[in-house]
Amino acid sequence: SQTIHQWPATLVQPVGSPLSLECTVEGTSNPNLYWYRQAAGRGLQLLFYSVGIGQISSEVPQNLSASRPQDRQFILSSKKLLLSDSGFYLCAWAPPGGRYEQYFGPGTRLTVT
Amino acid sequence: AQKVTQAQTEISVVEKEDVTLDCVYETRDTTYYLFWYKQPPSGELVFLIRRNSFDEQNEISGRYSWNFQKSTSSFNFTITASQVVDSAVYFCALSEAHNNAGNMLTFGGGTRLMVKP
Repeated sequence: SQTIHQWPATLVQPVGSPLSLECTVEGTSNPNLYWYRQAAGRGLQLLFYSVGIGQISSEVPQNLSASRPQDRQFILSSKKLLLSDSGFYLCAWAPPGGRYEQYFGPGTRLTVT
Repeated sequence: AQKVTQAQTEISVVEKEDVTLDCVYETRDTTYYLFWYKQPPSGELVFLIRRNSFDEQNEISGRYSWNFQKSTSSFNFTITASQVVDSAVYFCALSEAHNNAGNMLTFGGGTRLMVKP
């Protein structure tokens, strides 16, 4: 069966510090991968998605970036965090080819102070 | 462009009441998929159901049921005999089949359901 991992689970970082959140998927090959952000009490905002290694599509311009160095690894990064980067970050995967649901990881709660 | 609207931002019910969460969608695609997710206080989104645009049969799974009506572009979710464990935020989502190589989902704003004992 497939599983998706995210770490860390929680993170408190000062403004201006770098960020690296990691997401890995097990039990599947060539998945589509996604990063979402959810501000407190708000809906889901798609940040990035990837359909293959090295292929990243950005949905919202911001000071975040994403990379996919391996088939089942998706990394969200920032060189300098802003207060507005605080939120709940969710990684998700879906089988390639469309028409499938996405499966979400446990999330990372980021607080920028 | 596609859009999903969940007009109810918060619903509060007493345990054992039935509750219906509304979802209205907009799309120009003739082939699309609709989804419901549950987000409990722990934060992880849990997939509940997927429906394709060609299948309008209602679905029942235990206390959960879904009513898909293309004529009104709605995909409503009913919980029968609600329980405290049903307390969560529920999201409706849409995925278009065409021009969607990344299989992206468009989410509604979510409905927070509070079930009181």
